[in-house]
Amino acid sequence: GENVEQHPSTLSVQEGDSAVIKCTYSDSASNYFPWYKQELGKGPQLIIDIRSNVGEKKDQRIAVTLNKTAKHFSLHITETQPEDSAVYFCAAPIYAADKLIFGTGTRLQVFP
Amino acid sequence: GEEVAQTPKHLVRGEGQKAKLYCAPIKGHSYVFWYQQVLKNEFKFLISFQNENVFDETGMPKERFSAKCLPNSPCSLEIQATKLEDSAVYFCASSQFRGSYEQYFGPGTRLTVT
Repeated sequence: GENVEQHPSTLSVQEGDSAVIKCTYSDSASNYFPWYKQELGKGPQLIIDIRSNVGEKKDQRIAVTLNKTAKHFSLHITETQPEDSAVYFCAAPIYAADKLIFGTGTRLQVFP
Repeated sequence: GEEVAQTPKHLVRGEGQKAKLYCAPIKGHSYVFWYQQVLKNEFKFLISFQNENVFDETGMPKERFSAKCLPNSPCSLEIQATKLEDSAVYFCASSQFRGSYEQYFGPGTRLTVT
């Protein structure tokens, strides 16, 4: 079945530095790759996504890159701020079923 | 509404009791998904609906779990005879149409089984 691997499990950066989180998926039919941010006690918030017909997408300080050949995609956060501290999840859908398979999460801590 | 709403926020049940969770999807969204988040952040898909019809129930422990999405009512997830391992946060998500894949999550219901 579909499997999504996510690394690293924890990431600590200084405020202003960049953070990169990587995911690998197994189903070559996957064509949509979202990233969610989950703060303590809250539901996952969709922060950015990318479809398989593009290689990169940016939204202010966050960007996602996709390498379909290698079956991996990454989240890039530049100029990190303390409010970026949260758990970030990547996901990929099961083709034709729409349900999402999530990675195991990355706990990002941004120190002032 | 513009957000997925879930009630209650917290639910405590003794082992063997029934638990019922509710979800109101974003207005205009046809698809509803239920996920269970357990220790170590792991998400497990339970069931999905297209309007009031079950779309995919491959993740449901059918002997104790059931779910419904009826017209003009919040969707519900019911657990009969709860077990300790049912303790988790249950999230509902909705998406606009099949194949859009963009799923928007509610704040979750934390179920504690004692």
